[in-house]
Amino acid sequence: AQSVSQHNHHVILSEAASLELGCNYSYGGTVNLFWYVQYPGQHLQLLLKYFSGDPLVKGIKGFEAEFIKSKFSFNLRKPSVQWSDTAEYFCAVSGINTDKLIFGTGTRLQVFP
Amino acid sequence: EPEVTQTPSHQVTQMGQEVILRCVPISNHLYFYWYRQILGQKVEFLVSFYNNEISEKSEIFDDQFSVERPDGSNFTLKIRSTKLEDSAMYFCASSVNGQGAGTQYFGPGTRLLVL
Repeated sequence: AQSVSQHNHHVILSEAASLELGCNYSYGGTVNLFWYVQYPGQHLQLLLKYFSGDPLVKGIKGFEAEFIKSKFSFNLRKPSVQWSDTAEYFCAVSGINTDKLIFGTGTRLQVFP
Repeated sequence: EPEVTQTPSHQVTQMGQEVILRCVPISNHLYFYWYRQILGQKVEFLVSFYNNEISEKSEIFDDQFSVERPDGSNFTLKIRSTKLEDSAMYFCASSVNGQGAGTQYFGPGTRLLVL
């Protein structure tokens, strides 16, 4: 079955701490991978995406993610979080011949000053 | 920066009533989508639409649902006879490219409550 797992449901960090949010997927075939972010009161915004090429992808606001095919993972990282990173983060996967995005349950990140 | 917009932001309706949720995709985008998120659950794909046709739909998207692009700018989702379990946040999205080659940009959502 096609699915995305985000094991961290709620993460609480202090500013300047490092962040890693886990994402594992189950999908037959070649995949496209995405991280979306939803800031409080706002809509889903694309943080970064992987289609092909370099498995280390850099996105906006200092975020990056690494696609590890052998582990079916696409973990999101940021070396030093800020209070403004407080948001919900969603990992998503799609196949290369479909537009159907399959989302994880999301991880709520709270950053305290 | 162009954005996907959705109206209304909130809708309350009685069970059995028809609702139409409206979306204005980004103007040069050609592929359109609806997703929903029931409270506490994952965002789920409903349907994709391209060239005035449904290109893909999920098992959720049954005969009670329909989509339409009535003019050059709007994209609508109609639920013919709402059920309690249709209560959810409904997100519209659009992309320039499809078939796995595009990035979907989401609107702010319409929160639908069926009583």
